[in-house]
Amino acid sequence: AQSVTQLDSHVSVSEGTPVLLRCNYSSSYSPSLFWYVQHPNKGLQLLLKYTSAATLVKGINGFEAEFKKSETSFHLTKPSAHMSDAAEYFCVVTRRGSARQLTFGSGTQLTVLP
Amino acid sequence: GAGVSQSPSNKVTEKGKDVELRCDPISGHTALYWYRQRLGQGLEFLIYFQGNSAPDKSGLPSDRFSAERTGESVSTLTIQRTQQEDSAVYLCASSLVSGRDNQPQHFGDGTRLSIL
Repeated sequence: AQSVTQLDSHVSVSEGTPVLLRCNYSSSYSPSLFWYVQHPNKGLQLLLKYTSAATLVKGINGFEAEFKKSETSFHLTKPSAHMSDAAEYFCVVTRRGSARQLTFGSGTQLTVLP
Repeated sequence: GAGVSQSPSNKVTEKGKDVELRCDPISGHTALYWYRQRLGQGLEFLIYFQGNSAPDKSGLPSDRFSAERTGESVSTLTIQRTQQEDSAVYLCASSLVSGRDNQPQHFGDGTRLSIL
């Protein structure tokens, strides 16, 4: 069994300030973890993924996430927010090596203020 | 384009009608997924196809929902006798399949279904 909890449904930051989107997971197996971003009326775009390599994962658009097994967390960060980062972000967990269904978090809406 | 293509992008229909949604996966992707996303919510898994294996239908909410896939190409999701609670965005995704690490799923832009 697996689950994922996104701790904040909404996050608001000012442009140029750091972004932190929190995600905690639960899995009976060795997990693979992903962050996806969804802009309005668009599908989901992969930001980054963790499988079994380095625990600090760098993704597109300056985002990165750190896998912390002891804390069962996979928080998404970015040093400096841009207006174009405003979107909904989903943390996703699945069983490593299994291509079957993903388990999605409920999403975090990121607002970037000018 | 090289991405996942879904059609139609928007569909408005009357309650009780049947609808058919189409997904063209990325060429070479053997795995295909359908999800439902209700307004303001995360994604609900509906069905998964992998090659010639029997599909995983465990997420289909009722027998009004069905899906087919022709080989490793196009898939159609059919909803019969639509109800208002079927209103949602239906997303399709495809991926490669690896025996070790998970390959990411690539999503289409979705079909926005509205039942009047």
